[in-house]
Amino acid sequence: QKEVEQNSGPLSVPEGAIASLNCTYSDRGSQSFFWYRQYSGKSPELIMSIYSNGDKEDGRFTAQLNKASQYVSLLIRDSQPSDSATYLCAADYGNNRLAFGKGNQVVVIP
Amino acid sequence: EAGVAQSPRYKIIEKRQSVAFWCNPISGHATLYWYQQILGQGPKLLIQFQNNGVVDDSQLPKDRFSAERLKGVDSTLKIQPAKLEDSAVYLCASSFGQPEAFFGQGTRLTVV
Repeated sequence: QKEVEQNSGPLSVPEGAIASLNCTYSDRGSQSFFWYRQYSGKSPELIMSIYSNGDKEDGRFTAQLNKASQYVSLLIRDSQPSDSATYLCAADYGNNRLAFGKGNQVVVIP
Repeated sequence: EAGVAQSPRYKIIEKRQSVAFWCNPISGHATLYWYQQILGQGPKLLIQFQNNGVVDDSQLPKDRFSAERLKGVDSTLKIQPAKLEDSAVYLCASSFGQPEAFFGQGTRLTVV
């Protein structure tokens, strides 16, 4: 299975600030990238998908993709306590299969 | 549209016992996945079905794990015999011909 790395430790951000999450992937052939949000004790929920280099914005979320650097990021603007969760980065490696990173925990402090 | 259904939600068994999990994917989704998520880690793909055929089972411990999707809809995942290290959340997901996968609520398995 291909590797997706999310190496940052838990991220604490004040309410209203920007949370920034990063991940790198090993398979240069990956074409599709996803961010899932997982609340404690719940299943992953798809929040963003990105396929092309550049930025994709959806509400308070912006995903950024740089295929040359094999790097994907997620920005959460105006962070809310409800954004407190673990964020999983995923990349496809063919045949509609996804490899997931271990996740980054985000804690938004009111 | 109904989501991915899984049962049971929780299961506690003793090591060396057997256990089975059931999954019903989103209607019309031909692709079904079983993932294992150990605490503090991301989901790991165990097996992927396309209709009732296996696409990838390279990470399925076949000496103890088995899965089937006989009619191309529902699926079951079985562990026999269970080991302590099988304690995890087993997630079923489905997709409609694309990588975006939608997850069920999962089954939390504790092996004691």
